[in-house]
Parts: sequence; structure tokens; C-alpha cells
Amino acid sequence: DTAVSQTPKYLVTQMGNDKSIKCEQNLGHDTMYWYKQDSKKFLKIMFSYNNKELIINETVPNRFSPKSPDKAHLNLHINSLELGDSAVYFCASSFGLAGGVASSYEQYFGPGTRLTVT
Amino acid sequence: AQSVSQHNHHVILSEAASLELGCNYSYGGTVNLFWYVQYPGQHLQLLLKYFSGDPLVKGIKGFEAEFIKSKFSFNLRKPSVQWSDTAEYFCAAITGGGNKLTFGTGTQLKVEL
Repeated sequence: DTAVSQTPKYLVTQMGNDKSIKCEQNLGHDTMYWYKQDSKKFLKIMFSYNNKELIINETVPNRFSPKSPDKAHLNLHINSLELGDSAVYFCASSFGLAGGVASSYEQYFGPGTRLTVT
Repeated sequence: AQSVSQHNHHVILSEAASLELGCNYSYGGTVNLFWYVQYPGQHLQLLLKYFSGDPLVKGIKGFEAEFIKSKFSFNLRKPSVQWSDTAEYFCAAITGGGNKLTFGTGTQLKVEL
């Protein structure tokens, strides 16, 4: 009954490859997010989707392309991987703004995907 | 732009010591504040949150935090830490009614027996 799940948990790949990370939530949330945690543990938002629509797109290289087939899934595809892409990527979900209820802003995080680019 | 700062990057305490981790945010309007914990090798878990009302917020595992609007602070406290509290602690904020969560740089807490 995992709330937010990600696959794979670990991903080791070579520079130049293309890879995808999948995220699924079963909480009924309508907003999903991708965060990147670097080697210094700093967490920064990359993208956010609300009901399959992109609402936050930070200054992320266009090699990163999120895709949301439905509001329960948000996948992250990365083209032409670089050494600097090595990090832990966390997916999260929450209720969005439409409800206007204070507790809707709590975000639930997945277990993370540790990406290592060699 | 909104920002969240945590001034203590590494904290080492003995078991039963009291804990206070600092968190300051820079935003003058409505703010929602959170403390998350990340145990070694695990994902982030919410410790507590502040939206409105009583500025003293109680969370899980004996943690509490106090929102002081005049100081733009939301410090995390625990009266007596345990070895199992060893983890990374992140303060985060959502400002202006949006849903973009901005994290501080984290504080690594190590509790020694």
C-alpha cells in the first residue's frame, strides 16, 4: 500500500545514454513533483504537474522531459545523460490549489531513485 | 525570491541532550512551513507543519516547532534526543499560496550514545 512509489530505486548508466524514472501515487492527489537532491543533500524542485498539466518548470536543461499520462503518474525522461546528472531524484505528490484547503499543501515523497552516471 | 536558510549544517549531540535547529525564511506574505526528516537511506518524511493558528506546532516523535513571524523563523526543537534521531533535517516553505516547496540546505544531526 505504498503511497508514492518510484522505479527503479537505483540506476547506473553511462554518459550519453537516455533513461527514464517512473513515479506513481495512489493517494488520489492531483499534483505531482520531481525534486533533485545533489551530493550535498540539497533538494530543489524541478517540475510540477497538476492534473497532467505542467505548472512548475524550474531552470532545468531541456534534456529532462517530464511526462504525465494521468494524474497518478509522473515520469521523468532524461536524454544524453551527463556526469552532473548523478543525484537522487525524488517524486512527490499533493493535492493542488483548487481545493484551497490548508492541508492540501502537504507533499508526500517517494523513496527516491539514485542515479549514477559514469 | 523566496528562500529558506538553515544555519546549522552539522550538529552532534549526546543522547538526552536538547535539540534546537534553526530555520529562517525570507518572504513577507502568507507562508506555510514544514520540517521534514530524512533517515539514512530513506525518503523524506513530514515531521510537522504550520499553516495558521497556534504558532507552537507539535509533530511526530516528540518534535515541535515555533513559528515566530517577527523573526521569520520556524525553529525545530526536541527536549531529549535519541540515537534514532540521527538523520538529515530539512526546513521548507511554501509562500504566497502557491505549491512550490522551497527547501533549506538541511542539517545533519548525529546523536551519540
